[in-house]
Amino acid sequence: QVQLQQWGAGLLKPSETLSLTCAVYGGSFSGYYWSWIRQPPGKGLEWIGEINHSGSTNYNPSLKSRVTISVDTSKNQFSLKLSSVTAADTAVYYCARGHLVPIRNTYYYYMDVWGKGTTVTVSS
Amino acid sequence: DIQLTQSPSFLSASVGDRVTITCRASQGISSYLAWYQQKPGKAPKLLIYAASTLQSGVPSRFSGSGSGTEFTLTISSLQPEDFATYYCQQLNSYLITFGPGTKVDIK
Repeated sequence: QVQLQQWGAGLLKPSETLSLTCAVYGGSFSGYYWSWIRQPPGKGLEWIGEINHSGSTNYNPSLKSRVTISVDTSKNQFSLKLSSVTAADTAVYYCARGHLVPIRNTYYYYMDVWGKGTTVTVSS
Repeated sequence: DIQLTQSPSFLSASVGDRVTITCRASQGISSYLAWYQQKPGKAPKLLIYAASTLQSGVPSRFSGSGSGTEFTLTISSLQPEDFATYYCQQLNSYLITFGPGTKVDIK
């Protein structure tokens, strides 16, 4: 059974860079899209971006200028860096596996495996 | 960008009730919609994808329907473990967006 284990610094000061890593255990790393999603306290889900095993990325345009997602296929890990953080970046950050599946000649996307989340607080 | 809205934002229901949540897209997205359930302090859990395909292991009381711009998630008989927040999600032009969520609470 595939599991995602994530870790990273939980307390940052404004202007610092957020850095999180997610490791994939028990399943294939290739053939999927690996995403980061965040959830500010008491609010909804916001997709940050994704990467596949070959390093191809897609980012949310609202965060694109500050986000870098990278992959280390030798370790089955992918990472998130978010630069110049502010209090508005305080959130629970999740990693997730994205799956693009063919159904009746059409491809459908969903995220079926999630990490447990990492709480990141930005405060001076 | 395609925006998703959900209604209601909050609903209060009793065990055994039939519950319907609606998700509307700002433009047509065919059946490219998934539904997730999130309980407090937990990661979201996939319920339905391709608008109406039940994820393996999800109880059959959950069902999804719709295409284009209007979608529904139905819980046929609400159980105590179903009290949670529900989100719809779509992918279009390499951008993933979520609806704002519907919180289902105990009446």
